[in-house]
Amino acid sequence: QVQLQESGPGLVKPSGTLSLTCAVSGDSISSSSWWSWVRQTPGKGLEWIGEIHHSGSTNYNPSLKSRVTISIDRSKNQFSLKLNSVTAADTAIYYCARNAAGSSFDYWGQGTLVIVSS
Amino acid sequence: DIVMTQSPDSLAVSLGERATINCKSSQSVLYSSINKNQLAWYQQKPGQPPKLLIYWASTRESGVPDRFSASGSGTDFTLTLGSLQAEDVAVYYCQQYYNTPWTFGQGTKVEVK
Repeated sequence: QVQLQESGPGLVKPSGTLSLTCAVSGDSISSSSWWSWVRQTPGKGLEWIGEIHHSGSTNYNPSLKSRVTISIDRSKNQFSLKLNSVTAADTAIYYCARNAAGSSFDYWGQGTLVIVSS
Repeated sequence: DIVMTQSPDSLAVSLGERATINCKSSQSVLYSSINKNQLAWYQQKPGQPPKLLIYWASTRESGVPDRFSASGSGTDFTLTLGSLQAEDVAVYYCQQYYNTPWTFGQGTKVEVK
């Protein structure tokens, strides 16, 4: 059974950097899948942030591209999200998820709430 | 970006009755070379992540009850809950995976009348 688990600080100061990690079990991060970050807010609903393939290829949502970096750690079977220059608008539940190439999100982490506040 | 618009935003259905949710995409999500629509449906219950119900617009994910069915092609899609059960109370989302950025509908909340 594939499992994903997000971890990271639940509180980030405005203008700071949000950093989260997603640990993957039950599948190799070096498989053919892509690994995504999705966030959810009451106002904007579900928003895809970006994805990474084990080859290092990434795709980002243009709305966030200037502030986002997604990276992969094959040795730890995990991938990470960094979002710079955060504001209150970045307060959300952040999910990591697996998606096969050109396919839907079949496995999700439980999500982690990140609040941006001083 | 492909905009996904769901209707209605919410609906209340009696137990055992049918619930129908619509999803419209701002452009076709039909991948013509394989004749498949790149459209998925998810169910989200409070405090839980979204759960994949349907992919390729009409294929049920393993383990999803057959009271969930979906149809549509091009830009217009439908998710049908054939006989509402109490455990089906949730928010349902459609999502396109035709073009990045992958985008979701705003969600439809299904409640028991």
